[in-house]
Amino acid sequence: LAKTTQPISMDSYEGQEVNITCSHNNIATNDYITWYQQFPSQGPRFIIQGYKTKVTNEVASLFIPADRKSSTLSLPRVSLSDTAVYYCLVGSRAGGGNKLTFGTGTQLKVEL
Amino acid sequence: EAQVTQNPRYLITVTGKKLTVTCSQNMNHEYMSWYRQDPGLGLRQIYYSMNVEVTDKGDVPEGYKVSRKEKRNFPLILESPSPNQTSLYFCASSSLSYPLRTGGAIEAFFGQGTRLTVV
Repeated sequence: LAKTTQPISMDSYEGQEVNITCSHNNIATNDYITWYQQFPSQGPRFIIQGYKTKVTNEVASLFIPADRKSSTLSLPRVSLSDTAVYYCLVGSRAGGGNKLTFGTGTQLKVEL
Repeated sequence: EAQVTQNPRYLITVTGKKLTVTCSQNMNHEYMSWYRQDPGLGLRQIYYSMNVEVTDKGDVPEGYKVSRKEKRNFPLILESPSPNQTSLYFCASSSLSYPLRTGGAIEAFFGQGTRLTVV
């Protein structure tokens, strides 16, 4: 599985847009990029996935450049409730394996 | 509502006293797994199962056992707990079937966690 690198922590204020970048230089052709969110004392929650270009859902946007060696999770107009750890994962269900390899994630702290 | 349910949420036990943490999912998922989360180490996979009666070791299986007798249940067993197994444990499930809205991406559903303390 491709290793990912993301900032350990980020701080923001309510109403701002937050962009968290993840690098994954060794991403394989079959790999998808997936982001999970974890609140304190809760299990991680899937928030978005993508393979290439841009993906947007009701929670976030995911930008993936053509070389796919990095990706950026964008959270529009964050609120206090977006304070959480965000994990970038790279992998694929190809071959029947659903193992998730988590790094230490990015601790996002949103303040008033 | 799609759910993964773990019990108990909190558990304090003594060294050597066998315990079981239960996990149940209602999504008919084939794949289930257990993770432990420790400060600075992130989530690490303990065991996983790709279907009934099919289980295999993850990255940190020592001191743990699992079973998969029914598709919905995947209990984690600590036969002789030790203090180094004090941790936050998560059960997760996901589908192995195609097609899915996430394509090749893995969308796993996690339980609320079990905070285990072994004294």
